[in-house]
Amino acid sequence: NAGVTQTPKFRILKIGQSMTLQCTQDMNHNYMYWYRQDPGMGLKLIYYSVGAGITDKGEVPNGYNVSRSTTEDFPLRLELAAPSQTSVYFCASSLMEISYNEQFFGPGTRLTVL
Amino acid sequence: LAKTTQPISMDSYEGQEVNITCSHNNIATNDYITWYQQFPSQGPRFIIQGYKTKVTNEVASLFIPADRKSSTLSLPRVSLSDTAVYYCLVGGMDSSYKLIFGSGTRLLVRP
Repeated sequence: NAGVTQTPKFRILKIGQSMTLQCTQDMNHNYMYWYRQDPGMGLKLIYYSVGAGITDKGEVPNGYNVSRSTTEDFPLRLELAAPSQTSVYFCASSLMEISYNEQFFGPGTRLTVL
Repeated sequence: LAKTTQPISMDSYEGQEVNITCSHNNIATNDYITWYQQFPSQGPRFIIQGYKTKVTNEVASLFIPADRKSSTLSLPRVSLSDTAVYYCLVGGMDSSYKLIFGSGTRLLVRP
């Protein structure tokens, strides 16, 4: 299993541009998540999904959109990039069980908005 | 969602046991306590999870007192490769499995 994969690894955007960060998992996990991590800080939840067709906002959803058309894929869309969105973005997935909170993280996408 | 408080940083030496304590006074009945490890330029990695008393796996132990308002991650005989940021999180069914990552504890292991 490849686990959680993310593309691209690095990207530089100009202010106002749009892009989609791709995330795919091959573990048949129900839950998927998008986080951002600013330098020296912890991760902040942007959006999450409990299954195909179902998404919900996390702590910092403004400026982002998501969709979940399949179990495997959970893309994150930035519509109008702003310098405040410069960050490292991590996608994660987990298997929904009552007592199990293990999330599997992808390698991250480093985004710079200039 | 329960908020957690943990030390910003800790120093240790190779071969020592390291204990990182996390406080979570507002933990809910259905919340579990989970610890993650993060190396630079990598995503966090699950270390251990528990609900009460003691949990041990091949890399760490987790001690949780009866009131569950705190927890202690114990790393036996650390090595240089244990230098990382360690996050304590609480969450469970009541929070829809959303996890809040704080700033974590930066552990530096010296030779």
